[in-house]
Amino acid sequence: DTEVTQTPKHLVMGMTNKKSLKCEQHMGHRAMYWYKQKAKKPPELMFVYSYEKLSINESVPSRFSPECPNSSLLNLHLHALQPEDSALYLCASSPGYDSEDTDTQYFGPGTRLTVL
Amino acid sequence: AQTVTQSQPEMSVQEAETVTLSCTYDTSESDYYLFWYKQPPSRQMILVIRQEAYKQQNATENRFSVNFQKAAKSFSLKISDSQLGDAAMYFCAYSWNAGNMLTFGGGTRLMVKP
Repeated sequence: DTEVTQTPKHLVMGMTNKKSLKCEQHMGHRAMYWYKQKAKKPPELMFVYSYEKLSINESVPSRFSPECPNSSLLNLHLHALQPEDSALYLCASSPGYDSEDTDTQYFGPGTRLTVL
Repeated sequence: AQTVTQSQPEMSVQEAETVTLSCTYDTSESDYYLFWYKQPPSRQMILVIRQEAYKQQNATENRFSVNFQKAAKSFSLKISDSQLGDAAMYFCAYSWNAGNMLTFGGGTRLMVKP
């Protein structure tokens, strides 16, 4: 099973709202990622969690706040977003330990976010 | 810094024909991983194929195969017997360390004509 799930599928929010995106995997992976993807562009890395600790933060504005409550779950808390933050937000996971496909990232279906 | 380049923004192929998508990359590392991902309009990124740089043998997955030329830093994807369901955006990607970031190319949009 190589499934990563993301909720919600679609989200519309105002600039003053607070919302959260959720990502879950049950493959025993120890690395999890948040990406932002604009239309017709490749994904851009936002955050990496390795063994539940934030290991990479690609200079993302503080209005995006990641959280890794446990090894299976990754959240992205959103607050005071701007219209330019509208995008597809992708979650991914990888084994992150010594395995045959340690570097392979498996992606979820994404959350389509619209900021009004 | 590592870079990945896909020089073909769009490609088209007739159903049942073969098409090759190009990818070149730049790195100073000797051990790394290369990937092709497919992103259909449904938007989920799906792993197509994976290649480890230390393996000389080209990876294959059913109708998908790669031509990995390490010295030339080239990693092309060949799709045989193209099907309508192959229509998607294809991204070439590079990674050199577990838990590290993927570096993506700009993508190639593949259209399949019936």
